[in-house]
Amino acid sequence: SAVISQKPSRDICQRGTSLTIQCQVDSQVTMMFWYRQQPGQSLTLIATANQGSEATYESGFVIDKFPISRPNLTFSTLTVSNMSPEDSSIYLCSVVRGASGELFFGEGSRLTVL
Amino acid sequence: GIQVEQSPPDLILQEGANSTLRCNFSDSVNNLQWFHQNPWGQLINLFYIPSGTKQNGRLSATTVATERYSLLYISSSQTTDSGVYFCAVGELTGGGNKLTFGTGTQLKVEL
Repeated sequence: SAVISQKPSRDICQRGTSLTIQCQVDSQVTMMFWYRQQPGQSLTLIATANQGSEATYESGFVIDKFPISRPNLTFSTLTVSNMSPEDSSIYLCSVVRGASGELFFGEGSRLTVL
Repeated sequence: GIQVEQSPPDLILQEGANSTLRCNFSDSVNNLQWFHQNPWGQLINLFYIPSGTKQNGRLSATTVATERYSLLYISSSQTTDSGVYFCAVGELTGGGNKLTFGTGTQLKVEL
């Protein structure tokens, strides 16, 4: 398995502000992913965080709204910019561990935008 | 993209009962995982099972990749089994690491 720590675990934010979520992994990993889970919904992939290059975004997500950094093989950040109440969600970091491709998730960051 | 449907969407069980959750997917996959999301939102890995059968205590899972479905069995359910169960798949053409999550099954186990 993997130890994946996210900060903050939860936060209440004001409309129009931005918040950066941190994801720290206990060992080096090649692939890191950011997911969003809106209230009562399933999880949706936002982007793949690539070390040393720009993140790869999924359809419907753009870099201006969700800028991602990946400065090394154990750390990544996701910023939710210019937040609106529709951004209220759980944001989860995940990593691939082992040759099988099994994914493990952090405990999530629960954001509420007022 | 690949479609992942889970059934039933909601399930209420009495403690001690057994249940079967189903996951259907629309295309070939090389990654399939089952997760339990607890009431605090944390996703807990249950099984990595792109094919075959696995068992872990009261839980077991079977994936029939050629027929594009997977089943999760819960036996002798307990109240701590409550939560949402997600099936997630990785497409063969996409390398398998980017997961598409199913619609989920909300399980409530009552005393």
